[in-house]
Amino acid sequence: QLQLQESGPRLVKPSETLSLTCSVSGGSINTMAYFWGWIRQPPGKGLEWIGNIYQSGITNYNPSLKSRVTISADTSRNEFSLKLTSVTAADTAMYYCARRGLTGYDPFDIWGQGTMVTVSS
Amino acid sequence: SYVLTQPPSVSVAPGQTARITCGGNNIGSKTVHWYQQKPGQAPVLVVYGNSDRPSGIPERFSGSDSGNTATLTISRVEAGDEADYYCQVWDSGSDRFGGGTKLTVL
Repeated sequence: QLQLQESGPRLVKPSETLSLTCSVSGGSINTMAYFWGWIRQPPGKGLEWIGNIYQSGITNYNPSLKSRVTISADTSRNEFSLKLTSVTAADTAMYYCARRGLTGYDPFDIWGQGTMVTVSS
Repeated sequence: SYVLTQPPSVSVAPGQTARITCGGNNIGSKTVHWYQQKPGQAPVLVVYGNSDRPSGIPERFSGSDSGNTATLTISRVEAGDEADYYCQVWDSGSDRFGGGTKLTVL
């Protein structure tokens, strides 16, 4: 059974870079069948899509975050990563990684448990 | 950008039917997915492709999509259905979520 697990620092200072990794077990990210995505949720608020990556390295990002976001994949380690630069308190959130089908008709069908990241000095 | 509008809250008595709406411009032409999120947990897919259910999701959960409104319908509501529900579509290369609806079971 496919499982996703987020990891990374729980506390990041303002203006620094948030870095998270999603480790995938029970299946390979090196597949032509899926995108791998990041979604976040500020405390008490709704879900916000950050971006997706395909196994070939093709990415697409939320336009509102695009200038600060990089998503990459390491197929040899079966994981993909998120970097968000120049963070502020507004980036404090639960960060989820998830699997998504390839087409616009496909949902995020498997999610990690999430990791809470706080931006504070 | 494409905006999805959900009511902040919906309340229903046990055994009744809950309907949670998701408004968007011509959303009937898009494919809508619905997620359930209980406190302290990750979202779980409950309806995809407008009206299909993943394995393990009760038949009480159903979806429809027409015009400018998509609807998640939960029949015979149980206490365990109390959660936040989010709609999601793909539009112009971006995934978009509605603001979420808190379902309260009275």
